[in-house]
Amino acid sequence: DIQMTQSPSSLSASVGDGVTITCRASQSISNYLNWYQQKPGKAPKLLIYAASSLQSGVPSRFSGSGSGTDFTLTISSLQHEDFATYYCQQTYTNFHSFGQGTNLEIK
Amino acid sequence: EVQLLESGGGLLQPGGSLRLSCAASGFTFSSRTMNWVRQAPGKGLEWVSGISDSGDSTYYADSVKGRFTISRDNSKNTLYLHMKSLRVEDTALYYCARGSSWYYWGQGTLVTVSS
Repeated sequence: DIQMTQSPSSLSASVGDGVTITCRASQSISNYLNWYQQKPGKAPKLLIYAASSLQSGVPSRFSGSGSGTDFTLTISSLQHEDFATYYCQQTYTNFHSFGQGTNLEIK
Repeated sequence: EVQLLESGGGLLQPGGSLRLSCAASGFTFSSRTMNWVRQAPGKGLEWVSGISDSGDSTYYADSVKGRFTISRDNSKNTLYLHMKSLRVEDTALYYCARGSSWYYWGQGTLVTVSS
């Protein structure tokens, strides 16, 4: 099974800051990677698919990059509504494992 | 409008059984793979199981293999998760999610396993 490892597990930042979250796969997954945002009490929201494609309706301050085993999610200028937990997920195999999550908090 | 509505959650004792349902609408259910994802209280997302559009192929996380069975009834636009030999660690909010795009998720149904 493919293991997905995110870093950092938690992150403190201020409104207007840029932040980067990293996701590493235990083997190559090409670009079969999704990024989600989850807020308390809500279902996950798809932000990025195929590693770098922005889901319709998602602000352009969100971007994704990477291929193979190393991926990043970047938020260019944090807004209040961006403070949430972020997850990566591989869809390369039929066993769609998630990263452990990154909790983005307000500093 | 695509909708996924989970039901069937509840409180039960270890060793018990339960069947979750996910009623789908707003799309051609029989053309889409479907998945179950769970989230234990205060924890991260865990993929649990997936099923092909026809139902011929099924996939399970190691943590549930042999205890959970995913199935679907394309005539009723409904996805199921049959759970047996439940453990305390199966306590979670269970989401169904439409595969391929992974854009559509339900709001979840809570399963609590406790003695």
